[in-house]
Amino acid sequence: DAKTTQPPSMDCAEGRAANLPCNHSTISGNEYVYWYRQIHSQGPQYIIHGLKNNETNEMASLIITEDRKSSTLILPHATLRDTAVYYCIVRVEDGNNRKLIWGLGTSLAVNP
Amino acid sequence: EAQVTQNPRYLITVTGKKLTVTCSQNMNHEYMSWYRQDPGLGLRQIYYSMNVEVTDKGDVPEGYKVSRKEKRNFPLILESPSPNQTSLYFCASSKTTVQETQYFGPGTRLLVL
Repeated sequence: DAKTTQPPSMDCAEGRAANLPCNHSTISGNEYVYWYRQIHSQGPQYIIHGLKNNETNEMASLIITEDRKSSTLILPHATLRDTAVYYCIVRVEDGNNRKLIWGLGTSLAVNP
Repeated sequence: EAQVTQNPRYLITVTGKKLTVTCSQNMNHEYMSWYRQDPGLGLRQIYYSMNVEVTDKGDVPEGYKVSRKEKRNFPLILESPSPNQTSLYFCASSKTTVQETQYFGPGTRLLVL
């Protein structure tokens, strides 16, 4: 079962910031939060990941609450090409396999 | 260009006819994995491989086989496909077992009649 909860869909105006929330209230201390996106049934694309601290890269920013029970992915200036399904994922330890538990994601529509 | 390739991209077959979906990566990655994606269920891991000749079951391995004879290749084998294996399949690779960044292939859409 997925360890994350996301809204099924969101809208955002082109050029504005898109803020995608994620709840992971059962996350353990050593479990990372990852974000991937999938554009129209293509292979998922890595965006960003973090453990405790906020992270930023050329694609997005990740804000993790102090209690680590939720996080927000921020796309600072959304474009039409950012329309995709965004997955918030927790990486868990499963024996000697560290695996990503995928949920159903948030379908983000960026509108002109 | 760094990439993961899969072939074929689309496949229609009949129940019981053995098939192989190939996966190849050119990044010298140690870790490779197969997923299937179904509506309402998200991505589920079928098998993974931590290195050459090291493979293990994921969450939904029934009806599938894999092999890892070379670092770059990780084929998925369906010995006797059934209609419940109709799905969208993705191969992925990452540098190490840490899976910090997984690179996904373009997907293979399989229909089993």
